[in-house]
Amino acid sequence: DAGVTQSPTHLIKTRGQQVTLRCSPISGHKSVSWYQQVLGQGPQFIFQYYEKEERGRGNFPDRFSARQFPNYSSELNVNALLLGDSALYLCASSLRTSWETQYFGPGTRLLVL
Amino acid sequence: GQQLNQSPQSMFIQEGEDVSMNCTSSSIFNTWLWYKQDPGEGPVLLIALYKAGELTSNGRLTAQFGITRKDSFLNISASIPSDVGIYFCAGRQTGANNLFFGTGTRLTVIP
Repeated sequence: DAGVTQSPTHLIKTRGQQVTLRCSPISGHKSVSWYQQVLGQGPQFIFQYYEKEERGRGNFPDRFSARQFPNYSSELNVNALLLGDSALYLCASSLRTSWETQYFGPGTRLLVL
Repeated sequence: GQQLNQSPQSMFIQEGEDVSMNCTSSSIFNTWLWYKQDPGEGPVLLIALYKAGELTSNGRLTAQFGITRKDSFLNISASIPSDVGIYFCAGRQTGANNLFFGTGTRLTVIP
């Protein structure tokens, strides 16, 4: 069975640009969560979506936005990129909003120059 | 946001040795989770804890939910080379749709 997939795997952008990251959950999973993992730190929660509605939001600026599509895939958008946005962006899917049964994807590594 | 502090930050141990690491917080959590992350991959859930004082095992791994609800512990017995990786604790508070991760413990096992 396919796990959580994310694209692209790596991305290089410059300050001020905008980026869109994509996530496909495990088949049958209806909830997607996004995390930012800065090098050397633990993941930080950004968003959780369930049934296309935002169910949770971490302490991130409005430059970060996300949405979930009818097929339960999700996109994370970041506008006006800053150097500090360089990180590994992880997506996790679960059947519902259960944290304990989240399965993480391999992540998208974003470098902002 | 909430700060979960893990110690030690890194460990170098001989294969076969037991390992202990802990996670502390200034706030109370009602769920504690332990994850392992390998290079280039996302975290994988190892153990979930739901009650203060709870002790749960998963093979050679044992984790405990601290009585104060502000800490948790993970033990690995008889370490093997594939235990190498970064171990993260994570906590969730009652009614919160947010999961806070610790700073991580990097484990190196010397064959």
